[in-house]
Amino acid sequence: AQKITQTQPGMFVQEKEAVTLDCTYDTSDPSYGLFWYKQPSSGEMIFLIYQGSYDQQNATEGRYSLNFQKARKSANLVISASQLGDSAMYFCAMREVRSYIPTFGRGTSLIVHP
Amino acid sequence: DAGVIQSPRHEVTEMGQEVTLRCKPISGHDYLFWYRQTMMRGLELLIYFNNNVPIDDSGMPEDRFSAKMPNASFSTLKIQPSEPRDSAVYFCASNIAARDSGNTIYFGEGSWLTVV
Repeated sequence: AQKITQTQPGMFVQEKEAVTLDCTYDTSDPSYGLFWYKQPSSGEMIFLIYQGSYDQQNATEGRYSLNFQKARKSANLVISASQLGDSAMYFCAMREVRSYIPTFGRGTSLIVHP
Repeated sequence: DAGVIQSPRHEVTEMGQEVTLRCKPISGHDYLFWYRQTMMRGLELLIYFNNNVPIDDSGMPEDRFSAKMPNASFSTLKIQPSEPRDSAVYFCASNIAARDSGNTIYFGEGSWLTVV
């Protein structure tokens, strides 16, 4: 069963606008962590942001924020003030404490245009 | 601090040849993961180690694939014999479980393998 679902294969956004990348997950483990990674065309996987299942507040890192809705099992990434350099693949991932295995979604391709 | 270091960055080899991919995790990290990324299957976990011990290798596609971690600072992923369908980007990643900030999994730059 797919544990991480990213329903948007591709997204377009204009420079300086905000964009939301969707991620839903499935787990029965009460303790888990959620991650977002960026993969530019050069191929490396760059960690962006982390949210723990018990964190009361949404995680933020600079222009990145994670809209965590636990009841809906949703962990959307919000990028504010998009920049051309944000064009990349974005992966949502989850790790359950009981298994410790990180599981990744299929990714969303984001293109920022001028 | 140095990140996860992988070598080679790019490898082109002929079908049937042995391929060895190498990884040096971040010092102090006690978990090491090997992933394979393809367009068709996305990011797949092949195997992971904890304190140099293989914990779960259920993702290893077949007996042609093997992985070792002889010490805390080095791991290898070997494919013998290689086949064209093994062409992919292979990522090594490491993580430390002992601290909150260590929940982050750090990736190497990947090894781009092409088998012709």
